[in-house]
Amino acid sequence: GEDVEQSLFLSVREGDSSVINCTYTDSSSTYLYWYKQEPGAGLQLLTYIFSNMDMKQDQRLTVLLNKKDKHLSLRIADTQTGDSAIYFCAEGGHTNAGKSTFGDGTTLTVKP
Amino acid sequence: DGGITQSPKYLFRKEGQNVTLSCEQNLNHDAMYWYRQDPGQGLRLIYYSQIVNDFQKGDIAEGYSVSREKKESFPLTVTSAQKNPTAFYLCASSTSQAEAFFGQGTRLTVV
Repeated sequence: GEDVEQSLFLSVREGDSSVINCTYTDSSSTYLYWYKQEPGAGLQLLTYIFSNMDMKQDQRLTVLLNKKDKHLSLRIADTQTGDSAIYFCAEGGHTNAGKSTFGDGTTLTVKP
Repeated sequence: DGGITQSPKYLFRKEGQNVTLSCEQNLNHDAMYWYRQDPGQGLRLIYYSQIVNDFQKGDIAEGYSVSREKKESFPLTVTSAQKNPTAFYLCASSTSQAEAFFGQGTRLTVV
């Protein structure tokens, strides 16, 4: 079945770049998503990339997609303490964004 | 403001009780979803509905039930048949492939 894998933890210093990696198995995924979850809250869509794209940039966020290796990454430039959260990679979009397969999340800790 | 609202934020259930979690959206979205989140894990799909009066089981539907009588509302009932109901429950809605909107979640604890 579909599977999404992420490393569980990442720690960086404020001002550094953060790179969160994800691998997925479903080669037919049309959309790949990055969500952010702050403590005790729901998920907030950060960005998404369509499967025929290699890269998408949105302010401090850069998403890279290697479709051959089924590898997705999220780079956060100039990481701030407010970026500390859990980041979820998800694949799907076959019918609707809500029906996606999620990774277990990467907890990003930003140290001052 | 448009959005998706879950209530209550915290819910306590005694063993053997059924409880219902509320999810309401005013985004005019056709599709709505319920996910369960356990500590250190991703989201697992419980049920989803793509249109009023229709819904489908997700990956972990056992011990749960839903209804979709109105477009705006998709309540989830956690029944006594759910043996390990303590978790964080998230409702979402969507109208496209590009984005899903999530509520703030309900934390259910069995006491």
